[in-house]
Amino acid sequence: EVQLVESGGVVVQPGGSLRLSCAASGFTFDDYAMHWVRQAPGKGLEWVSLISWDGGSTYYADSVKGRFTISRDNSKNSLYLQMNSLRAEDTALYYCAKDIRFLGYFDYWGQGTLVTVSS
Amino acid sequence: EIVLTQSPDFQSVTPKEKVTITCRASQSIGSSLHWYQQKPDQSPKLLIKYASQSISGVPSRFSGSGSGTDFTLTINSLEAEDAATYYCHQSSSLPPTFGQGTKLEIK
Repeated sequence: EVQLVESGGVVVQPGGSLRLSCAASGFTFDDYAMHWVRQAPGKGLEWVSLISWDGGSTYYADSVKGRFTISRDNSKNSLYLQMNSLRAEDTALYYCAKDIRFLGYFDYWGQGTLVTVSS
Repeated sequence: EIVLTQSPDFQSVTPKEKVTITCRASQSIGSSLHWYQQKPDQSPKLLIKYASQSISGVPSRFSGSGSGTDFTLTINSLEAEDAATYYCHQSSSLPPTFGQGTKLEIK
């Protein structure tokens, strides 16, 4: 059974930093690209970042470019999102999602981890 | 960036009714359009891939159609458990984008 379990979401002050993690199981992690997608409270889905199977290619939404860094450790079956210079508008539930290939559909999603940016 | 516009934003429907949700892309995306269902306090769930391809385990009342810029999600004989928000998503080009969502309320 495929499982994606996010962690690391907390309340952080504006300008602060945070690292989210996503632990994957039930599939060959290093065969697939992975994404972060976020959802602000009461709002729709917003794509955040994509990383290729080997970590060699990364892409970001303009809203987070230069502030967020996606990475992965295939030896630990884990995906990460380093979030710096956090803003109030980054407040959201952050999901990790498994891609069926590179830039395909998302066949599995985690349950999300909540990041709140507030003073 | 490809913009996806869904309609309607909200619909109140009765059980057994047929529901149609549309998703229009700002440029042609071929068949690289996927649909997800998100129930309250749950993660999104894949319903339809590549515009019209069914997903194992998804009830057959859900179907999709379209190509290019205009796409449709159809729910035949709506059930109470279909109360949710539905999103379209394009994977034709970076960045991936989502429609704004269509919330279905069951009367």
